[in-house]
Amino acid sequence: SQQGEEDPQALSIQEGENATMNCSYKTSINNLQWYRQNSGRGLVHLILIRSNEREKHSGRLRVTLDTSKKSSSLLITASRAADTASYFCAPDNAGNMLTFGGGTRLMVKP
Amino acid sequence: SQTIHQWPATLVQPVGSPLSLECTVEGTSNPNLYWYRQAAGRGLQLLFYSIGIDQISSEVPQNLSASRPQDRQFILSSKKLLLSDSGFYLCAWSVGGGVYYTQYFGPGTRLTVL
Repeated sequence: SQQGEEDPQALSIQEGENATMNCSYKTSINNLQWYRQNSGRGLVHLILIRSNEREKHSGRLRVTLDTSKKSSSLLITASRAADTASYFCAPDNAGNMLTFGGGTRLMVKP
Repeated sequence: SQTIHQWPATLVQPVGSPLSLECTVEGTSNPNLYWYRQAAGRGLQLLFYSIGIDQISSEVPQNLSASRPQDRQFILSSKKLLLSDSGFYLCAWSVGGGVYYTQYFGPGTRLTVL
């Protein structure tokens, strides 16, 4: 397993703005997953993008994957105060295990 | 549908006391099970994972241990807690045997060691 590194560590935006978070990893992957964690709660799976996919959408979420650069981005459009949370990427190359980095702490101000 | 339970939700224990945290999954069979620890404001650290009963792998050497006495039960234990064991403990499960392993997390246990 390998760990993804999220960037930035913290992000503060106004409601209605878009939020972009980036993830970099080191070795080849089968897929990459994004998770969200509200304060004091467990993680919730948001979206999975496979290594042969370049872009994936789910509601207001847009994930891109560039395997040549070993990077992924998560875009949240038209952010809401309820989007305030920490976001983690998890590159997966071993199947059984995911390794989570420090995450991006997103604050959306109303 | 599948659900995952953890208890207790919060726990305050003195240094040197034993620990037992329990995680159970419902609605699925032969899941992969995981224990993570999260320090305040930090990322997750994988502690243990299990692909079957009595099949447990440890990722980080420490004074914690894990057991899986039943298919859908995962227990995290310690004989003597240290101050550094404080944190937020998360249990997760994933479908075993598939190609893509999305993990589903429990609500967590916040442990404070004093």
